[in-house]
Amino acid sequence: AQSVAQPEDQVNVAEGNPLTVKCTYSVSGNPYLFWYVQYPNRGLQFLLKYITGDNLVKGSYGFEAEFNKSQTSFHLKKPSALVSDSALYFCAVRDITGFQKLVFGTGTRLLVSP
Amino acid sequence: DTEVTQTPKHLVMGMTNKKSLKCEQHMGHRAMYWYKQKAKKPPELMFVYSYEKLSINESVPSRFSPECPNSSLLNLHLHALQPEDSALYLCASSQVLAGDPYNEQFFGPGTRLTVL
Repeated sequence: AQSVAQPEDQVNVAEGNPLTVKCTYSVSGNPYLFWYVQYPNRGLQFLLKYITGDNLVKGSYGFEAEFNKSQTSFHLKKPSALVSDSALYFCAVRDITGFQKLVFGTGTRLLVSP
Repeated sequence: DTEVTQTPKHLVMGMTNKKSLKCEQHMGHRAMYWYKQKAKKPPELMFVYSYEKLSINESVPSRFSPECPNSSLLNLHLHALQPEDSALYLCASSQVLAGDPYNEQFFGPGTRLTVL
């Protein structure tokens, strides 16, 4: 079964520093990977998705993700964190049984301090 | 219009009440979804509609009854809920492109449901 793991419940970073939110995947076949962000009491917002062949994916709000096939990882990155980036981040993978199903990781809370 | 709207924002209901959650999108998406999300947990898929037909039911109890009256609207009818059903209910939509695994889902802000 397709799955993603987010090993960190929380990531703390100072404003202006680079941030990384980790995600590893386990899939049969090609990985179709996504990152979403959720602000308090809000729905999920799409950040970016992995398209086959692009190891560095650029997304919304200055975020990017690095796909690494050998390490089965799809880490979310941003060169300079903002306090407003503080939110809950979910990695997700398309389910193999049907393209309509997304399987989400457990989420990582990002806290950016001023 | 790139928005998914949900009403109401908050809902408090007793275990004997009947209520409905509503979701609307005008992006021309032909797939619509209901998710349930507990605090600090990832969303859990409940139902998927594709071209107004129910395509996925993730073994959801019958006290939750989805309805897709047209391509823009999705309802979730609630009856005889339990306190453990209290959660954030999220609606989402996406394009349906045959064989395309890349299309992302667009989420609404959710309805915060409390069952007393």
